[in-house]
Amino acid sequence: EVQLVESGGGLVKPGGSLRLSCAASGFTFRTYTMTWVRQAPGRGLEWVSSISSSSDYIYNSDSVKGRFTISRDNAKNSLYLQMNSLRAEDTAVYYCARVGSLLGLVNNWFDPWGQGTLVTVSS
Amino acid sequence: QSVLTQPPSVSGAPGQRVTISCTGSSSNIGTGYDVHWYQQLPGTAPKVLIYENTNRPSGVPDRFSGSKSGTSASLAITGLQAEDEADYYCQSYDSGLSGVVFGGGTKLTVL
Repeated sequence: EVQLVESGGGLVKPGGSLRLSCAASGFTFRTYTMTWVRQAPGRGLEWVSSISSSSDYIYNSDSVKGRFTISRDNAKNSLYLQMNSLRAEDTAVYYCARVGSLLGLVNNWFDPWGQGTLVTVSS
Repeated sequence: QSVLTQPPSVSGAPGQRVTISCTGSSSNIGTGYDVHWYQQLPGTAPKVLIYENTNRPSGVPDRFSGSKSGTSASLAITGLQAEDEADYYCQSYDSGLSGVVFGGGTKLTVL
């Protein structure tokens, strides 16, 4: 069974840092582009960042550029999101997702998704 | 303000047909990038419903269908059931932003 399990969420003060992890199982992790998508409370989905299978290509949304860093460890079947200079508007459930096909990010969809981990930025 | 525009809400009675629109522009759907649709039931993670404009993953009922034309796409749901009550999101790629874009989401209410 393909499974993604996020961890690392929690309460952090504005300006602080947090590192999210996503443990993957049930598929050949090293061959798929991976993504982080977030959802603020009561709001819609927002794409955050994506990384190609061998980390050659990294894509970031303008809202997190310069603050968030996506990375992966194919030997550990794990995806990460290092979040620095956190702001109140970064408060959201963060989902880890795999792309649906072995193509890159363009024209690809996200399937499956993890259950999400909540990040709360507040003083 | 989302790059892809969806109606905030739609509703229909059980058994009826509803459609949800997703309007983009020449830098995303109009360029020819594929549109994908997700269903998010309350308190759960999104699940892909339609991929590559018209394709249904195994396990998704054929009551759900997708279409795309010009700078817009649509999700149609026929034979509405109470269990279809959820939030629906469209997704594509935007060349101007060099990234993935989502619609703002549409809440479907089954009356």
